[in-house]
Order: sequence, then structure tokens, then C-alpha cells
Amino acid sequence: SQKIEQNSEALNIQEGKTATLTCNYTNYSPAYLQWYRQDPGRGPVFLLLIRENEKEKRKERLKVTFDTTLKQSLFHITASQPADSATYLCALDPSGTYKYIFGTGTRLKVLA
Amino acid sequence: GAVVSQHPSRVICKSGTSVKIECRSLDFQATTMFWYRQFPKQSLMLMATSNEGSKATYEQGVEKDKFLINHASLTLSTLTVTSAHPEDSSFYICSARDNFGGTEAFFGQGTRLTVV
Repeated sequence: SQKIEQNSEALNIQEGKTATLTCNYTNYSPAYLQWYRQDPGRGPVFLLLIRENEKEKRKERLKVTFDTTLKQSLFHITASQPADSATYLCALDPSGTYKYIFGTGTRLKVLA
Repeated sequence: GAVVSQHPSRVICKSGTSVKIECRSLDFQATTMFWYRQFPKQSLMLMATSNEGSKATYEQGVEKDKFLINHASLTLSTLTVTSAHPEDSSFYICSARDNFGGTEAFFGQGTRLTVV
């Protein structure tokens, strides 16, 4: 079956460290992959999009990699801060119709 | 960035009644909007695609007669949960794509529905 998995349900790291979140998918060949942030009781907020022909994308303290051979994307937050604590979701658009399929999410907690 | 406004943010209704949720794109036009449902500690699940001027398309397992969708203009889609039951209690989120924008979708702030 088609699915998207994110490495861990919850991840705790110390402030200032780099957080690395993983998104693995099977049975898809997406043209792009997206990462979103979701705070409790709120809708997702778009962070980054990476295309299949891009190996890496950066935005401020965020970095995303995309390995279509491994069917995996890594999401990094460098110099993490307590304000980065949230759930992070990866999403694919398998059919190119903008009907996104979301991963299970990783709840990140940055400890002060 | 583009803004999608969802209203209400919270609603409590009695079992058997209907509830309407609005999703508006505030500064862009959206021919297509999407409705998702999210249960506690789970990810977003797509329920239906709302198409301006035509019928919505529903994902497998979603009852179209229970979740009525109307997309009467390029900036407004509504989701009506009819004859709500406690198992319909969930977090409902809409998203919209800018007709003239990029690939990203913009999400509303969500509506927490509690059916008692």
C-alpha cells in the first residue's frame, strides 16, 4: 500500500542542536515534496518545497534534502530554539492534482 | 504569504444537528479548495476536493451526503456536516491554491468540531 512515514512520533533535542527529521515513502514517484509546520490546534503552515531534481533546499535555519532513490527526505533545523517546538509534517502530491498526502508527523520539542 | 481564513475556529453542536464551516481565500482566487480531517495524534486525511462552479469530488470512504460541499465563488468554499454524530468530532482543515500562484497550498487555521 502507499504510505508516508516519518521517523519518530516525538523527538526531544537540546536548544542549539540540529534537529533532523525523516520522511520515507513507498510506491510513489513524486515530482516534489513539501514540509509543513503545525502547532497544536492550528492548521499546517508551509515551510519548504523540494523538487525531484533538487538535492537540497535551504531557507534560513532550515534545510531539506530529497533522495528519490532512497525515497526519503530529511528535514534539518539548525541552531534549534524552543520556539521551533511543533509538529512537522511532510507531504506528497502523488497524482500531480494538489491532493496532498501527509506523513504521520513528528512532534519536535526543543528543550531550553 | 496568501491567507486562508476558516470560520468558526471552534463549534460545539448537538447530535443530529448540522454545522457549516466556511473557508475563504482572502487575497487570492482559488478555483480548487480541499477539505481535510484530522483526528487526535493523527495526520491530515483528505476528505474532498471542492471545485468552484461544479460538484465536489470525494475521497473513498467519505459520505458525500453527510459532508456537503459548496464552492459558490472563487474565494469561498463551505463544508456542512449534516446530522452530526459524536464520531464526527474532529479537526477540520481547508486548504486552497492560488490560481496564479505556485505549487504550495495555504491552509486555514482549522475548525474544532465537537458533537455532544
